[in-house]
Amino acid sequence: GQSLEQPSEVTAVEGAIVQINCTYQTSGFYGLSWYQQHDGGAPTFLSYNALDGLEETGRFSSFLSRSDSYGYLLLQELQMKDSASYFCAVGTGRRALTFGSGTRLQVQP
Amino acid sequence: DAMVIQNPRYQVTQFGKPVTLSCSQTLNHNVMYWYQQKSSQAPKLLFHYYDKDFNNEADTPDNFQSRRPNTSFCFLDIRSPGLGDAAMYLCATSRDDLSSSYNEQFFGPGTRLTVL
Repeated sequence: GQSLEQPSEVTAVEGAIVQINCTYQTSGFYGLSWYQQHDGGAPTFLSYNALDGLEETGRFSSFLSRSDSYGYLLLQELQMKDSASYFCAVGTGRRALTFGSGTRLQVQP
Repeated sequence: DAMVIQNPRYQVTQFGKPVTLSCSQTLNHNVMYWYQQKSSQAPKLLFHYYDKDFNNEADTPDNFQSRRPNTSFCFLDIRSPGLGDAAMYLCATSRDDLSSSYNEQFFGPGTRLTVL
């Protein structure tokens, strides 16, 4: 079976740094991705880690440790527009992604 | 701009009345996906096409069918919608030039289905 766990909700203030963790148990593993979804909107791709380590894309970074079945998304210099749901997703083969249940980030002024 | 388009954005149907949702893409991607997303939940993959090769998820109900007449278009048919099928339906695409390409998926805006 496939299981991804992430916190349901995180709150932070503008300008702060926040980390959203994701642990996974999957029968196959072909990388960890992160998606952002604003209320009423479509998910948009943020980052992808196939190998252990840190990937940086502007204010967002993503980390993967395959030995720990663990990854995180790091958001720096938080802005109000970052308020959204963030999903981790594991590539499980056959071109399929399994999504976590999502973390709702609320950025406060 | 290259994109994924879904029509309609909002669809209301009656219990048991067949409904079809549409998706088109100008990205020329080989792979197209249909997801179901209920409120405050993760997108759940229903099935995907790799070119014309149809791949159904094991737990997708038979009530859900799909057609892909060409590279650009894909349809989701719900044969007899039940109240539990009310959800957002998301279409997505991905490239297939690398084994890892499908980890980056491009989503349409979704169709919100209401079942009365």
